[in-house]
Amino acid sequence: EIVVTQSPATLSVSPGEGATLSCRASHSINNNLAWYQQKPGQAPRLLIYGASTRATGIPARFSGSGSGTEFTLTISSLQSEDFAVYYCQQYNVWPRAFGQGTQVEIK
Amino acid sequence: EEQLLESGGGLVQPGGSLRLSCAASGFTFSSYPMSWVRQAPGKGLEWVSAITASGSGTYYADSVKGRSTVSRDNSRGTVYLQMSALRAEDTAVYYCAKIYGSGTYFPDYWGQGTLVTVSS
Repeated sequence: EIVVTQSPATLSVSPGEGATLSCRASHSINNNLAWYQQKPGQAPRLLIYGASTRATGIPARFSGSGSGTEFTLTISSLQSEDFAVYYCQQYNVWPRAFGQGTQVEIK
Repeated sequence: EEQLLESGGGLVQPGGSLRLSCAASGFTFSSYPMSWVRQAPGKGLEWVSAITASGSGTYYADSVKGRSTVSRDNSRGTVYLQMSALRAEDTAVYYCAKIYGSGTYFPDYWGQGTLVTVSS
């Protein structure tokens, strides 16, 4: 079973600044990683898959990188609508697993 | 436009059973695997189960294995999650999710969820 760990748990950022979120897998998952955004009271939304491919309609300020066990989600310039919780999920092996999430809050 | 509408949640006693349904529209349902993901109050996402497009293959998290059965009716565009021997720790919002494509099994579209509360 693969364990997925996200850091930090909370990230305080000012609007307009950039943010870097990390996701680590306990074993190599190649590039089989997705990132999701969830706002309070809403369902998650797919942002990135294949570690670096933006989903349809996702702004270019969101970018993903990494392979193997280390992955990063970068938001280049945070807009007000970007303050939310972000989850990564590995889909290389069963059972699928999510990280515990990173909350991006307004500084 | 893709739409997923979950139903069947509610209050159930410990040890009880429940069947969740998810009605899909706006895409060719029979071509896509489907998944269930849950979220306990104030907690993160937990993958629960998945089913292949044909329904011939199913996958479960250890936390629900042996107590849950995922199934689908492609003629009705609906996926189900039958849960039994429910415990307090099964209390969560249960999301139905469309899978991006066979061989990937990551969700690309989610319903709004249905709340299951296990309590006496």
